Amino acid sequence: EVQLVQSGAEVKKPGESLKISCKGSGYSFTSYWIGWVRQMPGKGLEWMGIIYPGDSDTRYSPSFQGQVTISADKSISTAYLQWSSLKASDTAMYYCARHVAVTTGYYFDYWGQGTLVTVSS
Amino acid sequence: EIVLTQSPGTLSLSPGERATLSCRASQSVSSSYLAWYQQKPGQAPRLLIYGASSRATGIPDRFSGSGSGTDFTLTISRLEPEDFAVYYCQQYGSSTGTFGQGTKLEIK
Repeated sequence: EVQLVQSGAEVKKPGESLKISCKGSGYSFTSYWIGWVRQMPGKGLEWMGIIYPGDSDTRYSPSFQGQVTISADKSISTAYLQWSSLKASDTAMYYCARHVAVTTGYYFDYWGQGTLVTVSS
Repeated sequence: EIVLTQSPGTLSLSPGERATLSCRASQSVSSSYLAWYQQKPGQAPRLLIYGASSRATGIPDRFSGSGSGTDFTLTISRLEPEDFAVYYCQQYGSSTGTFGQGTKLEIK
């Protein structure tokens, strides 16, 4: 069974750093892209970026390039999303999802449960 | 970056009715790169349709997707109570992706 298990909720202050995680199991972690999606309170989904754990090839949305860093440690089947200096506007639910990239389609098929990040002074 | 515009913003229908949700792209999208998701309150999104018209595993056949180029449609043939949720289209192209802003399907 494919599973993506995300780290727990975080409460941080503006200016602090943060790294959240997403552990994959039940499939070959290095054979699929993993993506991150932001959902601000009461708002829609935003595509942030994806990483291919096999070779760490990473693609970012222009909206998030330079704002966050996506990484992966294939030895422990875990992807990460990190911030060096959080802002209040980073308050959101963050989902990781497995990204399928084949000729028949490009899409997120399995999703983590989400990690709620709250940034407040 | 391709912008996806979904309409209507909110759709009020009754169980048993047919729902038609639209997703329009600011430039042409390969059909392979267009997907639809359902999200219920407090839950992660769920994949419904990929490749514009292929149902994901376990998705009932009352859900169907169609379209090409810049215009795509998600149709729910006969609404069940569990179908009332928010629906998002999403595209991937030129090494990045975007979501539409969502359509809320509510009970009339």
